[in-house]
Amino acid sequence: DAGVIQSPRHEVTEMGQEVTLRCKPISGHDYLFWYRQTMMRGLELLIYFNNNVPIDDSGMPEDRFSAKMPNASFSTLKIQPSEPRDSAVYFCASSLSRLAGANVLTFGAGSRLTVL
Amino acid sequence: AQSVTQLDSQVPVFEEAPVELRCNYSSSVSVYLFWYVQYPNQGLQLLLKYLSGSTLVKGINGFEAEFNKSQTSFHLRKPSVHISDTAEYFCAVSEFQAGTALIFGKGTTLSVSS
Repeated sequence: DAGVIQSPRHEVTEMGQEVTLRCKPISGHDYLFWYRQTMMRGLELLIYFNNNVPIDDSGMPEDRFSAKMPNASFSTLKIQPSEPRDSAVYFCASSLSRLAGANVLTFGAGSRLTVL
Repeated sequence: AQSVTQLDSQVPVFEEAPVELRCNYSSSVSVYLFWYVQYPNQGLQLLLKYLSGSTLVKGINGFEAEFNKSQTSFHLRKPSVHISDTAEYFCAVSEFQAGTALIFGKGTTLSVSS
């Protein structure tokens, strides 16, 4: 298995631009998570899905952020408009809930976003 | 809601020395506990997990952790570290049911020098 695949790995954009981050989870996994990592706040859960349905989006910072999962093999995290404080590494992770009833997450390599 | 506190943000050690990275959690319900490792410019990898059973859990690369319910702790240990263990280590907790998200601590940077 290729693991969790994220794109782009690096994105540099200017304030006000739209940013779209993409994630392909491991085939067969039924949970998908988006996390954001910064030096100041560590790893923050933004949103997660179960069977393509958003379960908890309370971590999404504000209305500029949105996430979708149109099918079991693809998810996007969109920021519009982007701001310099959105600069961070964004991780996608997936898991199979039937694994001992616990969420053992497999992480992607991350998308490093820099907003100038 | 659960929370995780990693008591040390940085731990410098010499090669072949023992190390302990401390983690305390808070939750009103039973939990699962995890340690993940992040090498530079990479995603997180699972080191070990406690789901149930024996409170001493062994993971990859010679790491182990002990679940202490009374002290709500899940400290990570290794008897002899290598340069290659230099990385950031994250403790995480999730509630005792399938489908709940992991909540992570802020991480501990382990720096191993010769």
